[in-house]
Amino acid sequence: ETGVTQSPTHLIKTRGQQVTLRCSSQSGHNTVSWYQQALGQGPQFIFQYYREEENGRGNFPPRFSGLQFPNYSSELNVNALELDDSALYLCASSLGVTGGSGELFFGEGSRLTVL
Amino acid sequence: AQTVTQSQPEMSVQEAETVTLSCTYDTSESDYYLFWYKQPPSRQMILVIRQEAYKQQNATENRFSVNFQKAAKSFSLKISDSQLGDAAMYFCAHNTGGFKTIFGAGTRLFVKA
Repeated sequence: ETGVTQSPTHLIKTRGQQVTLRCSSQSGHNTVSWYQQALGQGPQFIFQYYREEENGRGNFPPRFSGLQFPNYSSELNVNALELDDSALYLCASSLGVTGGSGELFFGEGSRLTVL
Repeated sequence: AQTVTQSQPEMSVQEAETVTLSCTYDTSESDYYLFWYKQPPSRQMILVIRQEAYKQQNATENRFSVNFQKAAKSFSLKISDSQLGDAAMYFCAHNTGGFKTIFGAGTRLFVKA
């Protein structure tokens, strides 16, 4: 069974640039959620993708966007980077969007630093 | 609105001793899930224990157990026989069965040898 993998693990960008983060879900999982974890804080929900459609969104501006592909892998895109976007971005996969155990399976994260 | 509050930013425990991490939450739903996740330094977050709100019996997973008080909206984690490998950030989380899992701010647990 392949776990959740994310790339890149670390990256540095400057303000105003754009970034794409990638995630491969755990085998058999059809749902991917993205979280932003600022230093010393808990993960904040960005959005979730199910069957290639955005299924729900947290309190993040439209410059945060995503995609899910037919193989259930996913991308998180952030445009016009701001200093406050510096954080650990976590991808989590799960089976289905409701019911079940609700358990999330996390990747190791992508650490983004915006200078 | 759903919220999760962890009032202990840091906790410390002696190896082989017992420690309890606190969590309170707020929701208007009657059926939901509660979780404790562990995030070791520079490693993946993993599920420690899960509780379904409709179950009155407290969940237990080996050395980890919870004290679920539904009326008080309290969900504490007890770690017995603490080990050095238990040192990590612990996050309490809540999901009503929908797309969003809400996390608390976390409690950093230190284990002293």
